[in-house]
Amino acid sequence: DAKTTQPNSMESNEEEPVHLPCNHSTISGTDYIHWYRQLPSQGPEYVIHGLTSNVNNRMASLAIAEDRKSSTLILHRATLRDAAVYYCILRDAEYGNKLVFGAGTILRVKS
Amino acid sequence: DAMVIQNPRYQVTQFGKPVTLSCSQTLNHNVMYWYQQKSSQAPKLLFHYYDKDFNNEADTPDNFQSRRPNTSFCFLDIRSPGLGDAAMYLCATSRGIGQGNQPQHFGDGTRLSIL
Repeated sequence: DAKTTQPNSMESNEEEPVHLPCNHSTISGTDYIHWYRQLPSQGPEYVIHGLTSNVNNRMASLAIAEDRKSSTLILHRATLRDAAVYYCILRDAEYGNKLVFGAGTILRVKS
Repeated sequence: DAMVIQNPRYQVTQFGKPVTLSCSQTLNHNVMYWYQQKSSQAPKLLFHYYDKDFNNEADTPDNFQSRRPNTSFCFLDIRSPGLGDAAMYLCATSRGIGQGNQPQHFGDGTRLSIL
């Protein structure tokens, strides 16, 4: 599985946008970029995924670099409920039957 | 309207005493997964079922087994729990396999403690 690199932790102020980076320089052409988050004492929660184009949904936006070697998860207005561990994961389009979690980024949100 | 339900949320067992964790889903998904998450670590896949086909990860200890009697239910059996098996156990589902764009849906886990 191709690897991803994320900062260990980030901090944000409430109501401000948050940009969570992810590097995946060994990504293959068939790898989807997935983001999950895990709130304290809960299971991981799917956030968003994309292949080549930027994606938006009700939770977040995903910006994918043109060469696909990096991506950024954007939370438009952070709330205290967004404090979680955020995981960036690559999944092969054909054989992506499992999630291989890295260490993720711990996001702290200050009021 | 919980879609992946794990019971119980907390389970305590004795060293060496078999324990079973359960998972049910209302999504009618074909695939069910079991992950182990130790304290301050990321989740790690133990095995998954695609319908009735069982797929074990290469490094999953023999102590861990699973059963899937029907589409909705899946069980994790730990035959002889050791202290190192204390962890959060997460169940997840997805619609299919071989589709890298399919999200997985997780339950809130069962936290297993070993006395």
